[in-house]
Amino acid sequence: DAKTTQPPSMDCAEGRAANLPCNHSTISGNEYVYWYRQIHSQGPQYIIHGLKNNETNEMASLIITEDRKSSTLILPHATLRDTAVYYCIAVNYGGSQGNLIFGKGTKLSVKP
Amino acid sequence: GAGVSQSPSNKVTEKGKDVELRCDPISGHTALYWYRQSLGQGLEFLIYFQGNSAPDKSGLPSDRFSAERTGGSVSTLTIQRTQQEDSAVYLCASSLQGAGGNTIYFGEGSWLTVV
Repeated sequence: DAKTTQPPSMDCAEGRAANLPCNHSTISGNEYVYWYRQIHSQGPQYIIHGLKNNETNEMASLIITEDRKSSTLILPHATLRDTAVYYCIAVNYGGSQGNLIFGKGTKLSVKP
Repeated sequence: GAGVSQSPSNKVTEKGKDVELRCDPISGHTALYWYRQSLGQGLEFLIYFQGNSAPDKSGLPSDRFSAERTGGSVSTLTIQRTQQEDSAVYLCASSLQGAGGNTIYFGEGSWLTVV
């Protein structure tokens, strides 16, 4: 699976958009980009995933560059409850593969 | 239930004792995963099941760790002769089978403390 690189920490003001970058320059054509977050030591929570196109759901938007070497997770209006560690993961779900390999993620602190 | 269910939620055991941790995946999910996370550390992959077979056991840290899955549903992670370094939260996850874009959903974990 492709290795991803994320900044270790970021701050965001409450109510503003949080833009979390992820670099996955070695991603292959059949690898998806997934985002999860973990609040304290709760189970990781799925946020969004994509392959080539930008994606949006009720939680966030995912912007993937045309060359697919990087992506940005956007939380449009961050709240204090969005403070968490955010993980960007690139993984191939073909065949018998499929486990997620978590890196260190980005610790997002949303401040009042 | 609607989500991945794990039990017990908390377990304190004495060093050298065996423990069993249980995972009930989301109904219909054929893929099941075990991870563990030590305090302040990242998530460590342990084992992956597709149905009842485990094509990837590469993350099991030692032969004291084993896991099984029966009926394509419930899974049990067993740790024999527990050591203090086994203290961690053990997370189970499940997903639908199939190539491409299947989301993995996590349970809330079983907190294990070895004293």
